[in-house]
Amino acid sequence: DGGITQSPKYLFRKEGQNVTLSCEQNLNHDAMYWYRQDPGQGLRLIYYSQIVNDFQKGDIAEGYSVSREKKESFPLTVTSAQKNPTAFYLCASSATGAGLQYFGAGTRLSVL
Amino acid sequence: AQSVTQLGSHVSVSEGALVLLRCNYSSSVPPYLFWYVQYPNQGLQLLLKYTSAATLVKGINGFEAEFKKSETSFHLTKPSAHMSDAAEYFCAVSWNTDKLIFGTGTRLQVFP
Repeated sequence: DGGITQSPKYLFRKEGQNVTLSCEQNLNHDAMYWYRQDPGQGLRLIYYSQIVNDFQKGDIAEGYSVSREKKESFPLTVTSAQKNPTAFYLCASSATGAGLQYFGAGTRLSVL
Repeated sequence: AQSVTQLGSHVSVSEGALVLLRCNYSSSVPPYLFWYVQYPNQGLQLLLKYTSAATLVKGINGFEAEFKKSETSFHLTKPSAHMSDAAEYFCAVSWNTDKLIFGTGTRLQVFP
């Protein structure tokens, strides 16, 4: 089945710890995105990548980092600099220039 | 700045009643427009999309939306609500086709 796989579904972070959220797609899409979702705020763009080995900051990149070493994979690291990491994180992908994005099932991150 | 506004963070309807969820965008230049649905603890699923063809767009699950350039609107409707329609709905707009700007979402409740 073609789609986007996010793992884990639930993740807990201790104070001062970095955690990495996985996002893998087998849709052969060039572009991939990371969003943060908080209640009542919709989706806010963290980072996006339109091509391997290149990525751009979104609206709320501080405290996060990404890499794009393979077309299929776009992991997100929530660093200890992100003081309020509790949220639902969504990964998406699209064929460049198509506008339409497809979403994974999300990872819920909480702080211990 | 380009923006998307969804009027009403919560909408409640009776089963069988008309569903109307409102979306307005800020620019006079017709963009690409999308409606997504999100069920609890899941990713976003595409309901329908407008890409400059017919102004009345039909989507899945009996939903449709009408693009009105003069009103910069793209409201989502369904003639008869079903209990399974209870979810959060997001309007999204793309002006350059590689990034989406999301509204803050409307939570739809359906009462028996």
